[in-house]
Amino acid sequence: DAGITQSPRHKVTETGTPVTLRCHQTENHRYMYWYRQDPGHGLRLIHYSYGVKDTDKGEVSDGYSVSRSKTEDFLLTLESATSSQTSVYFCAISAMAGVGSYNEQFFGPGTRLTVL
Amino acid sequence: DAKTTQPPSMDCAEGRAANLPCNHSTISGNEYVYWYRQIHSQGPQYIIHGLKNNETNEMASLIITEDRKSSTLILPHATLRDTAVYYCIVRRGTYKYIFGTGTRLKVLA
Repeated sequence: DAGITQSPRHKVTETGTPVTLRCHQTENHRYMYWYRQDPGHGLRLIHYSYGVKDTDKGEVSDGYSVSRSKTEDFLLTLESATSSQTSVYFCAISAMAGVGSYNEQFFGPGTRLTVL
Repeated sequence: DAKTTQPPSMDCAEGRAANLPCNHSTISGNEYVYWYRQIHSQGPQYIIHGLKNNETNEMASLIITEDRKSSTLILPHATLRDTAVYYCIVRRGTYKYIFGTGTRLKVLA
């Protein structure tokens, strides 16, 4: 299995509090991604990174920010958590990207976040 | 933007071939088709990918139609451990996958 860890694995928090989720990889892959998974929606991309300090928005980025100061770490922050952000969050990594290129993504174990 | 359509659920008898269809009629000429599966609440797991030709690996076979508008994932001898949600994915733009809601495959004993 690809060396991807996520922390915490489970978290319960209250509305309005800040929350940071961490994704750590040991594969030295350039590309990293944050997804959320909700019933009836499959996985949806929140943000992605194509290098250190290089990030961009995905399809559901409102209310989330990310940072990548090192190749191995990609942080997802909910500045002020809301109940609609209750979800399972998955981090993924890939060695390559780009249309026309092979781009297998490896997924972490997920973080289950509950916002009360 | 490339988008996929899959049946929401399928059943398959253990030991039989499971054939999971996917429609991707808007796929562009240089976009790969990927298949992943998700068992319980684990992270999705890569199965196979293809561009134009049929592909086979130790897990599955991928059949892509000549016009590339649809594909079929084949699990040749399904086992109970193959019960999972299977996602057919094409890439949107440079980095973005569109996962969709997948097909929930139940392998029956």
